[in-house]
Parts: sequence; structure tokens; C-alpha cells
Amino acid sequence: RKEVEQDPGPFNVPEGATVAFNCTYSNSASQSFFWYRQDCRKEPKLLMSVYSSGNEDGRFTAQLNRASQYISLLIRDSKLSDSATYLCAGHTGGFKTIFGAGTRLFVKA
Amino acid sequence: EPEVTQTPSHQVTQMGQEVILRCVPISNHLYFYWYRQILGQKVEFLVSFYNNEISEKSEIFDDQFSVERPDGSNFTLKIRSTKLEDSAMYFCASSEDRLSYEQYFGPGTRLTVT
Repeated sequence: RKEVEQDPGPFNVPEGATVAFNCTYSNSASQSFFWYRQDCRKEPKLLMSVYSSGNEDGRFTAQLNRASQYISLLIRDSKLSDSATYLCAGHTGGFKTIFGAGTRLFVKA
Repeated sequence: EPEVTQTPSHQVTQMGQEVILRCVPISNHLYFYWYRQILGQKVEFLVSFYNNEISEKSEIFDDQFSVERPDGSNFTLKIRSTKLEDSAMYFCASSEDRLSYEQYFGPGTRLTVT
């Protein structure tokens, strides 16, 4: 089983839609989780950290479910500019971060 | 806003040659990382560096790779004898502390080995 697994998509949604991505992880020792956004041929940009209590930043909400070992990202009121690849990442107690392969999102007008 | 910078943006080299990729992390950050991303594939961890030594490395980071922080600002990745399969985008990242683990990435160096 891959350490961090994501549905590759693509997700094609109209502007204004709500879309949710899930990510599962296999290492129960993973302590911290993140969502990054990556545009084509660009670097990953940190979107938000994910906490057990949930984390909301504007239209974006992230949740962590340790019992089921998955994290989620919800995007409300999708914008054209949200089109990108969304990467989930898990960090163990050491110095290593493992990325998922990413979920592609296309938001259409 | 402070950012991680990397040079060069694109490096073309012949198989067997040595390359050095350079990074300037955010100035108050203490933890430094190198990742690579082969075209169309996921971001892969190579190595982390703290307090002037390697903290952790992946199985990709073999004897052909080395990292160095030669001064107070630069962080370099050296590939001693490049192979065709080393062609990838190489990203440097830094984080302020170990508690948050939030990493900020540079724009990457595209390495093409011919």
C-alpha cells in the first residue's frame, strides 16, 4: 500500500461548485498533514495544515480523521483560479515528508 | 514576503557530468530539504538537513548525491555522475521549525541529462 494515496481525478466542476478530495495514509506514526497546491510545472505551494480539530481558511476546509487514517479538503464556491493539482502530504516524527501523487481539479466557466 | 530561491532555473548536462544545484532558503528557517519530481510523477523526498548535517534521506539519495550548506545562506545539492534517469525537477524547501513542519518550496531547477 502506498504511504499516501489520492484519487488522481481529474475532477471537472463548474464555477461555484463545492468539491471534496480525500487522501489516505498508511503510516499511523505520521504526525502532521498538509495540503499543497501545485500548478503545472510549478512548485508546490502550501495551502493549509490539517489538524484533528479541522482547519478552515476562507473557502477551504481541511479535516483529519486519525481513526480512519484519512484527510480531506473541501473547496466551496470553486473559482476558475482553483484549477490545479492538490497534493496531500504527511510528515512523520522525523524529518521526512511524503507526498501523494495529487488530485487534478479543473474548474469550468 | 520572503521566499526560497533556486538557481539555475534550467540545467542541461551530459550523462556522467557533475552538477550542483543551488538554493537560498528563507533566512530564519532552520530545516532544509531537497525533493525531486520526474515529469508527470509525484514529488519525492530526497533528503533533509538540519544543524549542518543530514537528518534523514530516502533510498533515492545514494552515494551519487550530496548536500552542503557552504555558508550561512546557500544550500546545495550535488549529483556526482549524472544519469539519464536523474532528469527531473529538483525542488528545495525550508521550514522554520520542526513543530510546524510547514515547508516553503523554491521554484525548482529543471535538470535535463542528455
